[in-house]
Amino acid sequence: DARVTQTPRHKVTEMGQEVTMRCQPILGHNTVFWYRQTMMQGLELLAYFRNRAPLDDSGMPKDRFSAEMPDATLATLKIQPSEPRDSAVYFCASGLAGLAGAADTQYFGPGTRLTVL
Amino acid sequence: DQQVKQNSPSLSVQEGRISILNCDYTNSMFDYFLWYKKYPAEGPTFLISISSIKDKNEDGRFTVFLNKSAKHLSLHIVPSQPGDSAVYFCAASVRWDMRFGAGTRLTVKP
Repeated sequence: DARVTQTPRHKVTEMGQEVTMRCQPILGHNTVFWYRQTMMQGLELLAYFRNRAPLDDSGMPKDRFSAEMPDATLATLKIQPSEPRDSAVYFCASGLAGLAGAADTQYFGPGTRLTVL
Repeated sequence: DQQVKQNSPSLSVQEGRISILNCDYTNSMFDYFLWYKKYPAEGPTFLISISSIKDKNEDGRFTVFLNKSAKHLSLHIVPSQPGDSAVYFCAASVRWDMRFGAGTRLTVKP
């Protein structure tokens, strides 16, 4: 039963602290997405990786957010320094994009609920 | 900019009846459309999809209809079951860029 896994599931931290969220995509998938879900904005795309290369991070606040894929089995999203407005649920999703770049269905992890006090 | 809109935040139906969830989009470049279902404290789960070359796709109790001229997508669930109670997101994509609606909370009453 292949699934996207995310750790931690919950994180409470204080303003100014660094937060790192981790994601293990489904084995064999070549795309990874980071989303943020808030009450006001719904699901917002933060970053997109294809074959481990970052192709789009236009949705991410560059000054404090960074996303990486150190290897094919791990994607990370880091916030430094964190602020109360970053409180949200962060989802990772993976998929399989074809040669033409068209994306297939995205499969989501369970999310990391972040609370910044 | 809200390129994908779900104008009904909630919907309540009786068990056994049809549930119809609606979605509108503005970007005519979208070529792949999906519905996701989300339970509390879980990630969205893929439900059904349709490409822009089709106008209908069916999978068991779930049918998705696409009206490209109206830029409208709908999900029909027949018959509705209490276990279908969840938040349903519609999504539309062009290549990797997928945009989501704000979700519709479906409640199926026994």
